[in-house]
Amino acid sequence: DAGVIQSPRHEVTEMGQEVTLRCKPISGHNSLFWYRQTMMRGLELLIYFNNNVPIDDSGMPEDRFSAKMPNASFSTLKIQPSEPRDSAVYFCASSFWDSNQPQHFGDGTRLSIL
Amino acid sequence: QKEVEQNSGPLSVPEGAIASLNCTYSDRVSQSFFWYRQYSGKSPELIMSIYSNGDKEDGRFTAQLNKASQYVSLLIRDSQPSDSATYLCAVKGIGSQGNLIFGKGTKLSVKP
Repeated sequence: DAGVIQSPRHEVTEMGQEVTLRCKPISGHNSLFWYRQTMMRGLELLIYFNNNVPIDDSGMPEDRFSAKMPNASFSTLKIQPSEPRDSAVYFCASSFWDSNQPQHFGDGTRLSIL
Repeated sequence: QKEVEQNSGPLSVPEGAIASLNCTYSDRVSQSFFWYRQYSGKSPELIMSIYSNGDKEDGRFTAQLNKASQYVSLLIRDSQPSDSATYLCAVKGIGSQGNLIFGKGTKLSVKP
């Protein structure tokens, strides 16, 4: 079975541009998570969805960040306008909504804002 | 604030030795515990899960859980250079609706 699929794998863009990251969760999983990872701060949870509904977005750093999950098989994380400090690796993960179930991660998007 | 603490390392062990990775957590009602391995430039990969007190073995890996002490560990026997990676401890509590709390990870280096 296919794992979590993220696109693009790498994104380099200039400050001020809009960035859209995409994620397709594992089929059947009903929870989806967006993380950001940097050397300084480690793995940070940005937002997560259960059954396509945002549950907790307290990790979203600023209003410049937004996330949507229009259906069970697709989610986007958008940054507008982007800033150099947004440079990081962004991971999407999915799982079943059950306390015993682990999360499975996509390969990540390496974002560089110049 | 729910927290998961790990020694950042680096932890350096010789090839063939036992590597011991430790993790403590603050939320007493945590129920599920996971160890992820992350190679440099790659995504976290699940290697072990444990839910009840005691030991759980899978090949060269053993996870140990002590809920009274709020402590979980990962032992890697016969360490290999290919085990060199960052190991992330993750904890899930009751009613967390799927959310995991991650530690910052311990970097392990296995020297040939």
